[in-house]
Amino acid sequence: EAQVTQNPRYLITVTGKKLTVTCSQNMNHEYMSWYRQDPGLGLRQIYYSMNVEVTDKGDVPEGYKVSRKEKRNFPLILESPSPNQTSLYFCASSLKRGLYEQYFGPGTRLTVT
Amino acid sequence: GESVGLHLPTLSVQEGDNSIINCAYSNSASDYFIWYKQESGKGPQFIIDIRSNMDKRQGQRVTVLLNKTVKHLSLQIEATQPGDSAVYFCAENRDQTGANNLFFGTGTRLTVIP
Repeated sequence: EAQVTQNPRYLITVTGKKLTVTCSQNMNHEYMSWYRQDPGLGLRQIYYSMNVEVTDKGDVPEGYKVSRKEKRNFPLILESPSPNQTSLYFCASSLKRGLYEQYFGPGTRLTVT
Repeated sequence: GESVGLHLPTLSVQEGDNSIINCAYSNSASDYFIWYKQESGKGPQFIIDIRSNMDKRQGQRVTVLLNKTVKHLSLQIEATQPGDSAVYFCAENRDQTGANNLFFGTGTRLTVIP
């Protein structure tokens, strides 16, 4: 089944404790992206990657890092999480750069205390 | 500033009626638009898309209309069913470099009344 998977689905952590949210897609997509979703603000892009070893900042990149060492994986790294990073996070992928539908993962709900 | 927004945050319709969800955008250079459906506890799911060289596109029970003159996008759902209850987002591709970066509206919650 073609899908985007994220782990963990739920995470509660404390300020300053490094964490990684994994994202994997099995569709051989070139383009991958991370979003955060907050009430009243909709989905905002954090980082995106147009292919292996090619990443770039989205609208709200502060406090986040990403890497794209393999085509299928695009982990989101929070080196020192803070409470304002409490949010619902979605990973998405699409076939390639350009005007293509993005497929979303199921989401990761992160709480930073 | 530029924004992708929705006229109504909530919409309630009777089962069997047609639903119309509206979306306004302000970047006249946007060339690709998508409607997504998000059910509770799930990620956004693609419904239908439209490119700026079109003004109408139909799918199964859904139609998207694009009016570039007034920068308005709408999603019409025919014979709305309880399973259509969800939050609906419009998204626009503003990035002319082809990076496929979408900007999302805040969403409209559709509630279908049995």
